[in-house]
Amino acid sequence: DAKTTQPNSMESNEEEPVHLPCNHSTISGTDYIHWYRQLPSQGPEYVIHGLTSNVNNRMASLAIAEDRKSSTLILHRATLRDAAVYYCILRDTHMYSGGGADGLTFGKGTHLIIQP
Amino acid sequence: DTGVSQDPRHKITKRGQNVTFRCDPISEHNRLYWYRQTLGQGPEFLTYFQNEAQLEKSRLLSDRFSAERPKGSFSTLEIQRTEQGDSAMYLCASSSRLYNEQFFGPGTRLTVL
Repeated sequence: DAKTTQPNSMESNEEEPVHLPCNHSTISGTDYIHWYRQLPSQGPEYVIHGLTSNVNNRMASLAIAEDRKSSTLILHRATLRDAAVYYCILRDTHMYSGGGADGLTFGKGTHLIIQP
Repeated sequence: DTGVSQDPRHKITKRGQNVTFRCDPISEHNRLYWYRQTLGQGPEFLTYFQNEAQLEKSRLLSDRFSAERPKGSFSTLEIQRTEQGDSAMYLCASSSRLYNEQFFGPGTRLTVL
């Protein structure tokens, strides 16, 4: 899977929007952009994913640059419960045709700190 | 709760001992994954199953590690002759089909003394 680059940490205030960036300059046409987060002492949790168009769900929004070399996860109104490590992951669907290569490749992610 | 469950949640063992962890996926999920996570790092993929077939193994999975999913339901991960470097959180995840999001369990924290 192609490599992603994220800031090590970010800080935001409660009830304000948070924009978490991810760079993936070597992304291929078959790579989906996935975001997971990991709350303290828990396993990772799926947040959102997309290919080219911006995506929204109940947890967050995903804004994908036109050239797809970067994306931004948007939490519209952060709460203290959103304090977690956020991982941006590329999944190459081209590799799935043979039934293999389905593991996620996590980086170090961004540690999001929410101030009350 | 119908999420992914793992047992035990914590395991402390002495170097050289064998340990076995169990993962119960979400019942209708046919894909099951094992990951390992050390402090300050993201999870690292170890292996995955589609039903009972083990389809991929990471190079991180040394000969001392073996995983099984005999009936395509729960899975076990065994580590033989544990080493201090095996100390980590072992995470299990499941998904319903290709490309779908993976649902993670709470993990088993292994400490090798």
